[in-house]
Amino acid sequence: GQNIDQPTEMTATEGAIVQINCTYQTSGFNGLFWYQQHAGEAPTFLSYNVLDGLEEKGRFSSFLSRSKGYSYLLLKELQMKDSASYLCAVRSWGAGRRALTFGSGTRLQVQP
Amino acid sequence: DSGVTQTPKHLITATGQRVTLRCSPRSGDLSVYWYQQSLDQGLQFLIQYYNGEERAKGNILERFSAQQFPDLHSELNLSSLELGDSALYFCASSVEGTSGAQISSYNEQFFGPGTRLTVL
Repeated sequence: GQNIDQPTEMTATEGAIVQINCTYQTSGFNGLFWYQQHAGEAPTFLSYNVLDGLEEKGRFSSFLSRSKGYSYLLLKELQMKDSASYLCAVRSWGAGRRALTFGSGTRLQVQP
Repeated sequence: DSGVTQTPKHLITATGQRVTLRCSPRSGDLSVYWYQQSLDQGLQFLIQYYNGEERAKGNILERFSAQQFPDLHSELNLSSLELGDSALYFCASSVEGTSGAQISSYNEQFFGPGTRLTVL
């Protein structure tokens, strides 16, 4: 099966940097996604990693270490609108399995 | 706007009833996924369809069923509803590769706005 762990809640200050960690256990790894979800709204795609290393996209960066089963999402220059849940999701290959498995999400609260 | 549409936006019904949720994927996307998100819980994968055929099954109850039609829209049918079925139901779509091919692009899933189901 698959297991994805991420912290339940985090708090950070406007303008600061925050790192949200995600660890996973899976077979047939085929990519890790980060999604942002505001309360009651649809998740929106933030980033994708399939090879080790850092992917940078504006204020957001995501890192992957496949050997460690570890990823993090880095948010810089935090803004109040970044208050949301951040979902780590793993895609894996297997018999008939191509869907994403999501972690429970990390609720980020940005304070003034 | 992701390009994925879902109807209805809200649905209130009673226990024991049956409802149908509808999803239209983004233009060109062949795969449709259904997820359930209960209060304070993560997204639980229910089922995936690709070009009209069931591709993968997650934690979908036997009371639930889905299908994808030739025009690629999909419906999720929930029957004998229980209080615990109250949740947000999301549909997502992606291009998806051909069967057996390794997907080298992002192939991310685009989510619809969801249907909030309340069972009273």
